[in-house]
Amino acid sequence: ETGVTQSPTHLIKTRGQQVTLRCSSQSGHNTVSWYQQALGQGPQFIFQYYREEENGRGNFPPRFSGLQFPNYSSELNVNALELDDSALYLCASSLNGRFGGEQYFGPGTRLTVT
Amino acid sequence: KQEVTQIPAALSVPEGENLVLNCSFTDSAIYNLQWFRQDPGKGLTSLLLIQSSQREQTSGRLNASLDKSSGRSTLYIAASQPGDSATYLCAVRRMGGNKLVFGAGTILRVKS
Repeated sequence: ETGVTQSPTHLIKTRGQQVTLRCSSQSGHNTVSWYQQALGQGPQFIFQYYREEENGRGNFPPRFSGLQFPNYSSELNVNALELDDSALYLCASSLNGRFGGEQYFGPGTRLTVT
Repeated sequence: KQEVTQIPAALSVPEGENLVLNCSFTDSAIYNLQWFRQDPGKGLTSLLLIQSSQREQTSGRLNASLDKSSGRSTLYIAASQPGDSATYLCAVRRMGGNKLVFGAGTILRVKS
């Protein structure tokens, strides 16, 4: 059984650019949640996908968008990057997460916006 | 709106000490509470998950307690070791909710 994986590990982008982060969920899990963790803070919920549909969203602007694929892997897209988007982006997979399944986290993608 | 606070923000102890990390939350209508460990620049490792109906959970040298009515949880680490040095985060999930709400964490340093 493989755990949650994320790619890339690190990424450097310029303000105004667009970025796509990827997450492969743990085998058998149908729910993926994305979190943003700024330096020195706890993770903040961005959104969750359950069986390819968005199932809840945190206080993030529409330029943060996502997708979940039939194999339950997921992408996080951020348009018009701002300096404050620099953070560690974490994804977490779970089984039937909308009903309270425990979330298992990946290693994260470190995004730096210059 | 659920808010989670962790005290202290940072802690430095000599090896072998027993220690307690504190977590408080404002809305007691939680589904569960989870403690995580995070090494610098890394992802989160789940340590203990306590359902709202439970009072405590134990794993090895770790023990977490939950007092839902007072909005508090503690993580007790026995006989601390330098390898325990990390940031410890607590997170709560409300009833019917799909997201975890995190505290800012406690940075723990265990000196050898």
